[in-house]
Formats: sequence, C-alpha cells, structure tokens
Amino acid sequence: NAGVTQTPKFRVLKTGQSMTLLCAQDMNHEYMYWYRQDPGMGLRLIHYSVGEGTTAKGEVPDGYNVSRLKKQNFLLGLESAAPSQTSVYFCASRSQRESYNEQFFGPGTRLTVL
Amino acid sequence: AQKVTQAQTEISVVEKEDVTLDCVYETRDTTYYLFWYKQPPSGELVFLIRRNSFDEQNEISGRYSWNFQKSTSSFNFTITASQVVDSAVYFCALSEYRVTGDKLIFGTGTRLQVFP
Repeated sequence: NAGVTQTPKFRVLKTGQSMTLLCAQDMNHEYMYWYRQDPGMGLRLIHYSVGEGTTAKGEVPDGYNVSRLKKQNFLLGLESAAPSQTSVYFCASRSQRESYNEQFFGPGTRLTVL
Repeated sequence: AQKVTQAQTEISVVEKEDVTLDCVYETRDTTYYLFWYKQPPSGELVFLIRRNSFDEQNEISGRYSWNFQKSTSSFNFTITASQVVDSAVYFCALSEYRVTGDKLIFGTGTRLQVFP
C-alpha cells in the first residue's frame, strides 16, 4: 500500500504558466481533498470531492480547478500561475465507511511561482 | 462559522519538560469531531487522535494525553516528558459537515521546539 502519493514533489513555474498536480490513492477512499499550506495560515481547503465525477469548492478555490475522473485520482490544475500560489500543496483522502474518520495525507508538493 | 484557534504560535521547552498545546474551537453543530495532527520537520502530516463531541473522556496514549472540555470548547494536547523527536508543528482540526460533503477546518498550528 503506497497510501496517498503526489506528483511532482517540487516544481518551479513562471507567472502565467499552467500545471497539473496529481494525487493518487490506493485505499479505495471515496473522499479526496486538496489543501494549501502557507506560513502562519495552517492548512486551507482548496477543493474536495466526495466521489468520482463530483467536486466542490473549499475555502480558497480561486485560481484552481480540479477533476476526479477516476476514484483513485484527484487532479489540481493551475491554469495561469501567480506568485500568490507559491505554497505547499497537500492532497488527502478518507474513507466514507465511518463518520469523520481521519484523513490520510500525501507527502506534499512544494510549488514556487516566480 | 466553524473556527479553530491555536493561540500559541511557537513553544520552546527543554527535554523532559511537560508541555500543553491549546486548541479552542467554535461550532454550531451538535455532532462534530476534533483531531490533532503532527507535522514533523520532514513535512508529512501524521494523524494523532480523533474525538467525537459525545465523548468527553480524556485519552492517554503513552506520553501523549488529550483533554476535551465541551464547556470551554477546548481540546488541549499534553506531551509529558517531552523529547527532541516531539519537535514538530501540531495542528488541531474540527470537522464540518455540509450537504456537499464534510471537511476539516484546521487551526494555524503550534510549532513545538524541544531542546536537548
């Protein structure tokens, strides 16, 4: 079991470039989440998905899009990167079997936008 | 609105000292869950504990203990006899359920530094 994996681990973009972050989980979890972590701000939810083909906005969704075409994958897209999107991005997943059981997190992706 | 406050931004202790990390939450939900996660210097997030709103019993796991008090909306975390390996950022989180699905609201974290 690899758990939750994220690709890539590091990336440097120029302003205006686009990229996609990939999150994959092999635990057959229904719920998946994308967070960003900034100094002094904790983790803030960008988008989340309660199942294949469904997504919802979190606390800070502007500038990001997501897709959940397969149950095991959750993609986070930046169409036109901005320096304000420099952050560490975490993906998480959890099972629907129990109410509010814990989320399992990936190792994070460190993104720098110049 | 749901909110989690971790007022202590950073705490420094010397090894073997006891330390308590505070967490205060706000919610209008009657059923909710509280969590603690640890983020060591390596960066990953490690789940420590989950507690539901109907269970106010304190919990102890080795050197770790948690004190949940609904009357004060607090879920504090104590490390007894701290060790250097406890150095990390600790996050408290609160569950929020909506029709569109549930999610966690995180506090801003407390950075704990344990010096030898």
